[in-house]
Amino acid sequence: DSGVTQTPKHLITATGQRVTLRCSPRSGDLSVYWYQQSLDQGLQFLIQYYNGEERAKGNILERFSAQQFPDLHSELNLSSLELGDSALYFCASSVAPGDLYGYTFGSGTRLTVV
Amino acid sequence: GQNIDQPTEMTATEGAIVQINCTYQTSGFNGLFWYQQHAGEAPTFLSYNVLDGLEEKGRFSSFLSRSKGYSYLLLKELQMKDSASYLCAVMPGANNLFFGTGTRLTVIP
Repeated sequence: DSGVTQTPKHLITATGQRVTLRCSPRSGDLSVYWYQQSLDQGLQFLIQYYNGEERAKGNILERFSAQQFPDLHSELNLSSLELGDSALYFCASSVAPGDLYGYTFGSGTRLTVV
Repeated sequence: GQNIDQPTEMTATEGAIVQINCTYQTSGFNGLFWYQQHAGEAPTFLSYNVLDGLEEKGRFSSFLSRSKGYSYLLLKELQMKDSASYLCAVMPGANNLFFGTGTRLTVIP
């Protein structure tokens, strides 16, 4: 157990629907990062939060949004889902941005859009 | 922008040594990381280099040459459980890690 908790582990939904993925960071970590990993693709950075504030944005679609709450958990909202959104979504956390000890990843949410 | 190149796949024999290369171009540099990822699982941190040279940690070592934009991960005494993807990642600034597509290593008996 890495200490980063992601729920749900699996999600199957239809095109056009909206889903919310949840992440609780490791105790003491203030930064949360969201990554998307499609089949045979690398980890694509989506967005980063630090202590409740958005810090950096990657290739995140306008249909996707995220936030980090006062208790430091984060949610990634995916709307108007398309087949191509099927992927593993990972959350990672670190003490602070640019943590030189790297990130701790959760076990991911596998999203299947049918 | 950032670009990372790694071989897509490698195969090596149990007990042998394998070297996985990574070349990168980045607009800034705050360190290079290696992660291991078993299929369908979370990536796990292996090593971090920010200065030129070799960092050794048990059976795994990582090397960095900043002037050449080059790193390698060396795995010794390969075990079957080392079959996984190995992800090279750079930290261009202070905010996030940029990952390559990874090298899928298969260890055969």
